Order: sequence, then C-alpha cells, then structure tokens
Amino acid sequence: QKEVEQNSGPLSVPEGAIASLNCTYSDRGSQSFFWYRQYSGKSPELIMFIYSNGDKEDGRFTAQLNKASQYVSLLIRDSQPSDSATYLCAARSLSGGYQKVTFGTGTKLQVIP
Amino acid sequence: NAGVMQNPRHLVRRRGQEARLRCSPMKGHSHVYWYRQLPEEGLKFMVYLQKENIIDESGMPKERFSAEFPKEGPSILRIQQVVRGDSAAYFCASSPLGSVRGYTFGSGTRLTVV
Repeated sequence: QKEVEQNSGPLSVPEGAIASLNCTYSDRGSQSFFWYRQYSGKSPELIMFIYSNGDKEDGRFTAQLNKASQYVSLLIRDSQPSDSATYLCAARSLSGGYQKVTFGTGTKLQVIP
Repeated sequence: NAGVMQNPRHLVRRRGQEARLRCSPMKGHSHVYWYRQLPEEGLKFMVYLQKENIIDESGMPKERFSAEFPKEGPSILRIQQVVRGDSAAYFCASSPLGSVRGYTFGSGTRLTVV
C-alpha cells in the first residue's frame, strides 16, 4: 500500500510567523510531489510541486524535498489568516504502468490574527 | 479557457435512488480522475479514465458504483441504490497526456443521501 502521511493538526501559528507543514511517503519510486490547499467546502487548489531534491520557492511558499528521507515539507512565510486551510500533500508514482497520484489526509492550518 | 466543470454542485437523493455526477475536463485534457472525500477526511482515489477506457478502478466499491468517459460528452460517475454512507464530496480532476504537473480539480459535487 503506497501511503502519504501527514499530521492532521490543527497546526496553529500566529500571524506573521512561519508555518511548517510536513509529509512523509512510503513509495521510494515516487517521482514528484504536490502541495494542495483546500479551504473548507471548496476543492483542492495546487500551490506547489517539486520533483528535485532541495528547495523550491514561490513567493511566500517554499517546498522542500528530501528523497533519501522520503520527506516533503511546505514552509509558509509571513503567515496570514487567509492561509488558514487544510494542506494536502500528494505523491506521484508509477503504478500498473501509469502515473498515479496518492494524497495524504491533510494538515489543518490555523493562522491566529 | 474553462476549468474542470462538475455538475450538479449539490445533489440530494433519497436512499435507494440513483445519483449521476458529471465531469467535463479542461480543454486539451484527456485524463479524468474521480476522488471521494468524506467529511473531515482526505481524498480517496476512485477511478482513472481516458476516453472510452477505464484505466484503473481499484478505488471503486465493487457494487453500485460505475464510471464512464465516452467519446463524446462528459465523464459520468454513477451510484445506484444510494445509501447514507455515500454522502460525501465527489471531486473530478483532469490532466493532459504526459503531464508531470498536478491535477486540476473541479469544484466538486456534494452528495447528500437522506
């Protein structure tokens, strides 16, 4: 069973702080990784993807990948109340001859004003 | 350029009725994926389809659920004889052939079984 694990939270951070969201995956063959943001009652929205070891930055968001440790993280700098949402980590791997994306259960982030 | 279109947004069915959920992928996308999300839970893969082909249905319950993606028209997720446990949000996502990026999700259909 190929799994993506996340702490369900909630993770509470004060406004302006750095929020750190973590994710581990079990399939060493996973090739690329995604972070989706999902507001309550809404659909998931892709905010970052990464496929090389190291860091990838986009505005206030930084995705980090460590394939040796099978670990993915998302850092949100200068957290805002509007960042309060559930963040889903996902991994893409080859399964049955095609690419398949497996999602974690999500971490709920609360940014306190 | 419209995104992934799902309808209806909300669907209420009585126990034993049929539910039909529709998904039109983004223009140029040939792959469709259906996911189910129970309240306060994560996204669970159900089925992956290409035009006229079911590629992977390993996440579909063995009974009452079926999916299709015909040559013309939207993809359809069909649930027969619905039960209360089918109440959930059903999301459709699409991607183009060979894409390494993530999926684009539709706005979902919230199914409530009363």
